[in-house]
Amino acid sequence: GQNIDQPTEMTATEGAIVQINCTYQTSGFNGLFWYQQHAGEAPTFLSYNVLDGLEEKGRFSSFLSRSKGYSYLLLKELQMKDSASYLCAGKTGANNLFFGTGTRLTVIP
Amino acid sequence: NAGVMQNPRHLVRRRGQEARLRCSPMKGHSHVYWYRQLPEEGLKFMVYLQKENIIDESGMPKERFSAEFPKEGPSILRIQQVVRGDSAAYFCASSPRRGGQETQYFGPGTRLLVL
Repeated sequence: GQNIDQPTEMTATEGAIVQINCTYQTSGFNGLFWYQQHAGEAPTFLSYNVLDGLEEKGRFSSFLSRSKGYSYLLLKELQMKDSASYLCAGKTGANNLFFGTGTRLTVIP
Repeated sequence: NAGVMQNPRHLVRRRGQEARLRCSPMKGHSHVYWYRQLPEEGLKFMVYLQKENIIDESGMPKERFSAEFPKEGPSILRIQQVVRGDSAAYFCASSPRRGGQETQYFGPGTRLLVL
């Protein structure tokens, strides 16, 4: 089976850095995705990791360790508009995504 | 370049009625995925389709739910004899092809409310 664990809620201050952790278990693994979802809207693709290491894309970075079943999303220079849910999703060998419940991030002034 | 389109955005049905949810993938995408998001829960995979083929329906309830992706037209997720527990947001995603590195892009979702 597949399982994703990530914190339910986090709060951070505008301008700060926040790291959202995700651990996963799966019998087949084909990469790790991060999506951002504002309330009532579609998930929006942020990043994809299939190899170990850090992928940087502007203010967002994502890290993967396959041996540890661990990933994190790093958000720098937080802005108020970054308040959203961040979804960690693993891709199975069958090509579908399995999601965690998401981490609801609140950015405060 | 239009993204994934879903309609209707909101759908209200009474118990026992049928619900039809439509999804048009991004241009050039031939793979469609349906996910369901219950309140306060994560997205759950339901079904994966290519044109005229169901590739994986392991996440779909065995009864009352069906999906298709015809040669022409949108993909349809059909729920017969809806019950209150079917109230959820249903998201469709598409990708250009099968493959580990292909990103799935999501539509805005259909929010189904069963009275």
